[in-house]
Amino acid sequence: DTGVSQDPRHKITKRGQNVTFRCDPISEHNRLYWYRQTLGQGPEFLTYFQNEAQLEKSRLLSDRFSAERPKGSFSTLEIQRTEQGDSAMYLCASSSGGGGVETQYFGPGTRLLVL
Amino acid sequence: AQSVTQPDIHITVSEGASLELRCNYSYGATPYLFWYVQSPGQGLQLLLKYFSGDTLVQGIKGFEAEFKRSQSSFNLRKPSVHWSDAAEYFCAGGIFGNEKLTFGTGTRLTIIP
Repeated sequence: DTGVSQDPRHKITKRGQNVTFRCDPISEHNRLYWYRQTLGQGPEFLTYFQNEAQLEKSRLLSDRFSAERPKGSFSTLEIQRTEQGDSAMYLCASSSGGGGVETQYFGPGTRLLVL
Repeated sequence: AQSVTQPDIHITVSEGASLELRCNYSYGATPYLFWYVQSPGQGLQLLLKYFSGDTLVQGIKGFEAEFKRSQSSFNLRKPSVHWSDAAEYFCAGGIFGNEKLTFGTGTRLTIIP
């Protein structure tokens, strides 16, 4: 069990550029979650996958955001045409899908700064 | 609406003193509750969780929390804090059939010598 990993850890981009983040969950965890955390706030749910299926998306996930988990393993989160308001920490978590609310294990996060 | 509230934005305690961080929840059904800790620039580490059963749960690093249905609370406690406990603490809740966690706004803990 190597834990949840995220790449990159930090990203600085200019407004209008596209960025993509990667998350590798704990092996054999079939659920994967994305959260966004802004300064001074708790994480806010964005979306989650059960295997490769995206089962829920928050209203926070605008059309500029897209997440994929093509083979039910790693996941990517892409933000198109970034805006300064997208600056935040993007956290990934994974859990086993035993049914009900399972413990979510978080990665170190990707900190995005949009200039 | 489901919500988790942490009334204290910032708490300062002396090293060796006891600690209690407050968490209140509002759910239509009994929620699953978690406490996570976050060091600066880092992800979240699970301290403990309550799913059902014994209302006093033990976690890592000497932390414990008590689920009180009558008060809609899940407060985190530690009998004696260490300087390394300085961090941001988040309470979170979820319910069966809804996979997302709802987090409180966090409590920042400062330890003074």
